[in-house]
Amino acid sequence: GAGVSQSPSNKVTEKGKDVELRCDPISGHTALYWYRQRLGQGLEFLIYFQGNSAPDKSGLPSDRFSAERTGESVSTLTIQRTQQEDSAVYLCASSPQGGSGNTIYFGEGSWLTVV
Amino acid sequence: QKEVEQDPGPLSVPEGAIVSLNCTYSNSAFQYFMWYRQYSRKGPELLMYTYSSGNKEDGRFTAQVDKSSKYISLFIRDSQPSDSATYLCAMRETNAGKSTFGDGTTLTVKP
Repeated sequence: GAGVSQSPSNKVTEKGKDVELRCDPISGHTALYWYRQRLGQGLEFLIYFQGNSAPDKSGLPSDRFSAERTGESVSTLTIQRTQQEDSAVYLCASSPQGGSGNTIYFGEGSWLTVV
Repeated sequence: QKEVEQDPGPLSVPEGAIVSLNCTYSNSAFQYFMWYRQYSRKGPELLMYTYSSGNKEDGRFTAQVDKSSKYISLFIRDSQPSDSATYLCAMRETNAGKSTFGDGTTLTVKP
């Protein structure tokens, strides 16, 4: 497809289980971002990948959160031992290059509910 | 205290009104200033971005940045019901990947 694709679109999981969220960026985009958005709030930065550079992981809230990216393609965000406060929309975005004023394109998000 | 504070709203205006949306920030290193529009259950889409201080106009939308006051605004002229959405301001330092977002203002334009 032409846009950023995320899966699953909705996920309900039990507290304590692990979840994996997937992001397919726009083809050719070297930069990829993960953000979290809680209900009624703004976006909270999680992690940023740019080409072959070391990712900026400064936004990951705890060691239960991790993310990987295969080359300049698919990324997976993993949340281990989920907690109720992890319930949120997880948004992935990509851009042609990182930094500067490049337009960032968001996917529609993965809606995670931890029960 | 948050780095970016956005007027919380919600805002409800009649069709045709002029809308003003505002954010303040504390990080003087921010150089890129963006406004995103987010419809319900959708990802944000970029409306406008401005580098450093000044004004930028695009159709019915005008973005203003006053770095001396650490204050940015988005004006919508002749508002339409299709403008009803949540508007998010965001800011970024030069060569940084991370953007810092406000909490959003929900706008409803009534026909």
